[in-house]
Amino acid sequence: DSGVTQTPKHLITATGQRVTLRCSPRSGDLSVYWYQQSLDQGLQFLIQYYNGEERAKGNILERFSAQQFPDLHSELNLSSLELGDSALYFCASSVYSQKGETQYFGPGTRLLVL
Amino acid sequence: DQQVKQNSPSLSVQEGRISILNCDYTNSMFDYFLWYKKYPAEGPTFLISISSIKDKNEDGRFTVFLNKSAKHLSLHIVPSQPGDSAVYFCAASLAGGTSYGKLTFGQGTILTVHP
Repeated sequence: DSGVTQTPKHLITATGQRVTLRCSPRSGDLSVYWYQQSLDQGLQFLIQYYNGEERAKGNILERFSAQQFPDLHSELNLSSLELGDSALYFCASSVYSQKGETQYFGPGTRLLVL
Repeated sequence: DQQVKQNSPSLSVQEGRISILNCDYTNSMFDYFLWYKKYPAEGPTFLISISSIKDKNEDGRFTVFLNKSAKHLSLHIVPSQPGDSAVYFCAASLAGGTSYGKLTFGQGTILTVHP
């Protein structure tokens, strides 16, 4: 158990709909990262938040948005869903050490768009 | 542009023998490298890491080697156990110690350890 929690575990929805994925980081971790893993792709970085502020953006579609709340949990909002958005979505939180930053991943949310 | 590559999609090893998983990278600015293990339908689990100032880091049965001049790292598992069967991802990040540590992942190598 990494200490990072994600809900829901599974989500089935239809094209055109909107969903919200939730992530709670490990206690004390200020950074939250979101990643997408599609069938034919590896883990792709979407977006990072640090202490409530957006810090970095990766390959995130304009239909997707995220935020981090004062209690440090984060939500990833996916709208106007398409079949190709079906994927595993992971969040991670991180701890810093002198040598580098290690990210710990949640169990993921499996999204199926029909 | 695949900045982190794992050229072997799969590796099969006998229990008790050594497993060697390889990873190459192209961005010389990467300075922190990590290995993750992933079971189906679960999140990646952190295994071991190494910073660019070192060439070896060991943790129990797992050892990571870094060859900066060749832009190559490898994960050695000795001895391999059937429970090690999983997908292994290497990942790299820039400028360790900051909050800009987004990870760039390789495509993964499926390790199968036979009893």
